[in-house]
Amino acid sequence: QVQLAESGGGVVQPGGSLRLSCMASGFSFSGYSMHWFRQAPGKGLEWVAVISHDGDNKFYEDSAAGRFTISRDNSKNTLYLQISNLRPEDTGTYYCARAEAGYHTARGDFWGQGALVIVSS
Amino acid sequence: YVLTQPPSVSVAPGETASLPCGGDNIGGKSMHWYQQRPGQAPVLVIHYDTERPSGIPERFSGSNSGNTATLTISRVEAGDEADYYCQLWDSVNNRVVFGGGTKLSVL
Repeated sequence: QVQLAESGGGVVQPGGSLRLSCMASGFSFSGYSMHWFRQAPGKGLEWVAVISHDGDNKFYEDSAAGRFTISRDNSKNTLYLQISNLRPEDTGTYYCARAEAGYHTARGDFWGQGALVIVSS
Repeated sequence: YVLTQPPSVSVAPGETASLPCGGDNIGGKSMHWYQQRPGQAPVLVIHYDTERPSGIPERFSGSNSGNTATLTISRVEAGDEADYYCQLWDSVNNRVVFGGGTKLSVL
């Protein structure tokens, strides 16, 4: 069955950096675009970025462009999100989700359980 | 795009819950709906306006026309108590848009 497992979350000081990973199994990872979403404590869902199946195309939410970098390694079935210059407002749970073959899509049909990122001094 | 959802909806067990999602001409877009129970990851319950993913009960249905998309939950159960989010792809700006979410309470 499709499984997505995020890792790399934790407590980080403001201005620091973090790389989240999402290991995929149970499907042909290289055939799907992938999303990162996030959710601040007690708030709604937000989209962060999407990457095409081959990694050649990426879109970002405006607030994420410049500090967030989405990438993937299809040989390792792993999706990444690099976040730099972390701010307190980046605190929240980060989810990876499987998209579709194309990357002009909002749908996430399977989600991981999330990785908690806390930005605090 | 801005998607507008009521913050909360209450319904008695066994009744039908209608959760609207409003936006300008969203009937021409593909709408997706997610259920998020407390402390859990979101689950896709309706995609492409009306389609139910495998494993989602037939009690869940969707529609999308004009300026309103609606998630309908028939014969509501206590386990349906959750936050529900509508979502679409904004093809003009190449971004994903979520509604603010509706908290469904089962009385």
